Amino acid sequence: QSALTQPASVSGSPGQSITISCTGTSSDVGGYYYVSWYQQVAGKAPKLIIYDVSKRPSGISNRFSGSKSGNTASLTISGLQAGDEAHYYCCSYASGSTWVFGGGTEVTVL
Amino acid sequence: QVQLVQSGAEVKKPGASVKVSCKASGQTFSTYFMYWVRQAPGQGLEWMGMINPRSGATTYAQKFQDRVSVTRDTSTSTVYMELSSLRSEDTAVYYCARDRDGSGFEFDYWGQGTLVTVSS
Repeated sequence: QSALTQPASVSGSPGQSITISCTGTSSDVGGYYYVSWYQQVAGKAPKLIIYDVSKRPSGISNRFSGSKSGNTASLTISGLQAGDEAHYYCCSYASGSTWVFGGGTEVTVL
Repeated sequence: QVQLVQSGAEVKKPGASVKVSCKASGQTFSTYFMYWVRQAPGQGLEWMGMINPRSGATTYAQKFQDRVSVTRDTSTSTVYMELSSLRSEDTAVYYCARDRDGSGFEFDYWGQGTLVTVSS
């Protein structure tokens, strides 16, 4: 399976909203409602922030939201904060009971 | 609370095999699917495979199909990932992860990671 496509980097000023796209195919993102997003700070394990396209685990700020249209999923971070600087990865369940990650997006707060 | 504790760093020569362990606590071991994800230095996350601890059934990414084996020991609540025919490109941090609620579609709890270095 090929990795899902994410922009390498996205930046924004504090308080702004940013959106990270994640493009796959009908065999992964477009075919299932099992897209998840992970936040990874350097040197740490990833942290689940969105699952089932748009659901937030307990304890995750409502500033993080997810959506999907066709073969593209999106993560929006609203009210951007300095603490949001990290790498963000999308992941989708795919045909054959496999999973595929995106290449990752580095978020910078200006 | 749920904890996934992995074995320590390994240094291996090309062509060798490595076996990384992941011991789960704070949960009913057989309830949750377990996964292995790796991350090469400065690179993104890569899904390798999974196991259903209850049945022992496994699924692997096509890329690793011929070289990886994920097993479990229910008596010690431990999952193992063995990767054979190691090459330099396998140098990475290997993570185990658990699904959120037993349905198996996202990775909620993660181990601390195990650095595997492949070098002659």
